[in-house]
Amino acid sequence: DGGITQSPKYLFRKEGQNVTLSCEQNLNHDAMYWYRQDPGQGLRLIYYSQIVNDFQKGDIAEGYSVSREKKESFPLTVTSAQKNPTAFYLCASQPGLANTGELFFGEGSRLTVL
Amino acid sequence: GQNIDQPTEMTATEGAIVQINCTYQTSGFNGLFWYQQHAGEAPTFLSYNVLDGLEEKGRFSSFLSRSKGYSYLLLKELQMKDSASYLCAVSTPYGQNFVFGPGTRLSVLP
Repeated sequence: DGGITQSPKYLFRKEGQNVTLSCEQNLNHDAMYWYRQDPGQGLRLIYYSQIVNDFQKGDIAEGYSVSREKKESFPLTVTSAQKNPTAFYLCASQPGLANTGELFFGEGSRLTVL
Repeated sequence: GQNIDQPTEMTATEGAIVQINCTYQTSGFNGLFWYQQHAGEAPTFLSYNVLDGLEEKGRFSSFLSRSKGYSYLLLKELQMKDSASYLCAVSTPYGQNFVFGPGTRLSVLP
């Protein structure tokens, strides 16, 4: 089955630790995105990538880092510099900018900082 | 700038009809999407409008007026399972490509 897989689904972290959230897609999509969602709020863009080995900052990139070494993978690292990392993180993909199709979302990763 | 507005919360009764409005101001426009999101889950795609007018899909319909920067999602014959947040999103030709509204939390009461 084609889709987007995020892991882990739940993650607990101590303050000062970096954590990496995995996002893998087998849809052969070019564009991939990372969003953050806080309770009762909409989606805010952290980073996006339109092509392998290239990515751009979104609205709230500070304290986060990404890589796009392979088309199917777009991991997100939440660094210790992120002041308030507890949130629900969503990874999404889209066939490409030339295609105006919808975003396909993973199941999400819920990060809690203790 | 980019801005999308939706009501924060709405309440409706099972079996009724509800309309969720969305107004937008974006740099460019490729299309408007509606997503449904149940608490703690990922958004799921509901509808897509690129031309003015009404798109109907079962109990759900979505309307778009590009000149007014306005869309609405119409839900008919409401069911309890329709209790969720509804996200309006605009696809733009530039940069980050999608701009999301804050979402409207709909509660369906028996």
